Amino acid sequence: AQKITQTQPGMFVQEKEAVTLDCTYDTSDQSYGLFWYKQPSSGEMIFLIYQGSYDEQNATEGRYSLNFQKARKSANLVISASQLGDSAMYFCAIPGGGADGLTFGKGTHLIIQP
Amino acid sequence: KAGVTQTPRYLIKTRGQQVTLSCSPISGHRSVSWYQQTPGQGLQFLFEYFSETQRNKGNFPGRFSGRQFSNSRSEMNVSTLELGDSALYLCASSQGFWAKNIQYFGAGTRLSVL
Repeated sequence: AQKITQTQPGMFVQEKEAVTLDCTYDTSDQSYGLFWYKQPSSGEMIFLIYQGSYDEQNATEGRYSLNFQKARKSANLVISASQLGDSAMYFCAIPGGGADGLTFGKGTHLIIQP
Repeated sequence: KAGVTQTPRYLIKTRGQQVTLSCSPISGHRSVSWYQQTPGQGLQFLFEYFSETQRNKGNFPGRFSGRQFSNSRSEMNVSTLELGDSALYLCASSQGFWAKNIQYFGAGTRLSVL
């Protein structure tokens, strides 16, 4: 079964600093994708970035980038120049083995301080 | 392009009642997935529909059911509500098979069972 581990339950970061959110995963699939989502207090899950396991380059989307280390089964999200609006829960996810939808980690609660 | 729309946003029910939640996917998306989010269990996959057929189902009792219509809109139903069904229910849509497509989420329906 797929498994996602996010080891940082909460983080406090000063505004404008860069922040790295950790994600390690376990999968038996050879080809897979990794997703990061942001969930503000309103509840909506907002897609941030996707990394394919066979992509040659690390994914980037604006201020978001992935530090993807396939051999370590690690896909850390990097947010550059953090903003107050980045305060939210962040989830790493991977498609389930076989047919189980997305498997999510427990999430990291990020708080950006002015 | 309109995003995923879930209605209603909030619901209050009592034990034993049943409830129906609705999800309208992004135009052109044929796959709809449902997730339950609780503080204790986190995000858990309920089921996925593609072209009106349930393709996958998570580990939930038969009280949880769903369907998809020809216009890709989906409903999920929970019968004989229990206190533990109180949760945020999230719907996500994607263009095709979830393993290769990004899932876009709605704002969720927050269900409280009294």
